[in-house]
Amino acid sequence: AQKITQTQPGMFVQEKEAVTLDCTYDTSDQSYGLFWYKQPSSGEMIFLIYQGSYDEQNATEGRYSLNFQKARKSANLVISASQLGDSAMYFCAMRVWNTGNQFYFGTGTSLTVIP
Amino acid sequence: DGGITQSPKYLFRKEGQNVTLSCEQNLNHDAMYWYRQDPGQGLRLIYYSQIVNDFQKGDIAEGYSVSREKKESFPLTVTSAQKNPTAFYLCASSILTGVPGELFFGEGSRLTVL
Repeated sequence: AQKITQTQPGMFVQEKEAVTLDCTYDTSDQSYGLFWYKQPSSGEMIFLIYQGSYDEQNATEGRYSLNFQKARKSANLVISASQLGDSAMYFCAMRVWNTGNQFYFGTGTSLTVIP
Repeated sequence: DGGITQSPKYLFRKEGQNVTLSCEQNLNHDAMYWYRQDPGQGLRLIYYSQIVNDFQKGDIAEGYSVSREKKESFPLTVTSAQKNPTAFYLCASSILTGVPGELFFGEGSRLTVL
């Protein structure tokens, strides 16, 4: 079975500090992709970063990096130098290429950046 | 600009009525998806389609119906059989192969049953 688990319902971080949002996944497939999305209060879903299962290096996109530990099946999102605009819901998702192109989402983490 | 357009953004429905949410994309994506999001919860898959005239049920398809007559369009009908339809609905699309293959989302439709 395919599953994404996000165990932090809510997180707080001081402005300009770094924060790590946890994500663990479960799949028996070898070929998959891991995604992080940001959902501000407006409701839109913003794609942040992607990590492929065969990628050896951790993905980075600006202030976002993905700490990929394949053996532990974790794909944590690290946001450096937090800004007030980072306050939002964050969702981890997985796409397993052999399962009919379905995406599996976690329940999300609500991040609040404190000035 | 390429993207996904959902309409209406807000919709009110009386109990017993069917409503249809529109989703149109001009990204030339083969796959399209409908998700439901309840307050404080993640996204749950209602239906998805990988090709015109074909679609598959997701985890919570009961009370919903879809059609895929054109590649660009994937409307969702919330029927009167859906017992608790008040929610935020997101339409998305993606390519079928290639990386990263992320989902592109519309802005969502918020349905309230009165």
